[in-house]
Amino acid sequence: DQQVKQNSPSLSVQEGRISILNCDYTNSMFDYFLWYKKYPAEGPTFLISISSIKDKNEDGRFTVFLNKSAKHLSLHIVPSQPGDSAVYFCAAEQDSTSGTYKYIFGTGTRLKVLA
Amino acid sequence: GAGVSQSPRYKVAKRGQDVALRCDPISGHVSLFWYQQALGQGPEFLTYFQNEAQLDKSGLPSDRFFAERPEGSVSTLKIQRTQQEDSAVYLCASSFFQGEAFFGQGTRLTVV
Repeated sequence: DQQVKQNSPSLSVQEGRISILNCDYTNSMFDYFLWYKKYPAEGPTFLISISSIKDKNEDGRFTVFLNKSAKHLSLHIVPSQPGDSAVYFCAAEQDSTSGTYKYIFGTGTRLKVLA
Repeated sequence: GAGVSQSPRYKVAKRGQDVALRCDPISGHVSLFWYQQALGQGPEFLTYFQNEAQLDKSGLPSDRFFAERPEGSVSTLKIQRTQQEDSAVYLCASSFFQGEAFFGQGTRLTVV
């Protein structure tokens, strides 16, 4: 059962326009979310995160929005640049009562920014 | 080193062979994770260490998979009697404690 879902496997956007990547989750206990970017043959690179006590976090061209009632988050990239072309993974932090934690990842969305 | 380092980058193993994958985390990072990423999928959790203690191994797919981090730094993921379904990219990540984890480049394992 996929607890973190990215329903769009791919997205193409024109350079300079906004890219919006979506992510849905099912577990209401998740309280910290992250976005990672992955280029081919490289490991995922941390991009931005958000805690459930916030509904928005911004870092330069990247903004993450969290809608807890809808169990939905989105990553906005404005303006999009060709170098943003990569696979983007949404992840949720799952804590356990024993003090351990792990990240649950979605399946990724491949973003292509067209010059 | 500046980042998480994994070796080897690529490994081809014959079915039935044992393999060992190494991870050098960022110095001082308490938490260390191993993930498995199949083609077209997101990373799937395998195991978690806090210093030398393996606190969660719930994601290890079978008893052929074994991980250790004896001195709380370098970690090794060992797969015994490899099978074709073990072919994947194995990612190691570390973090200071909680918060964002930093990933290595991964080891691509191909079992033939």
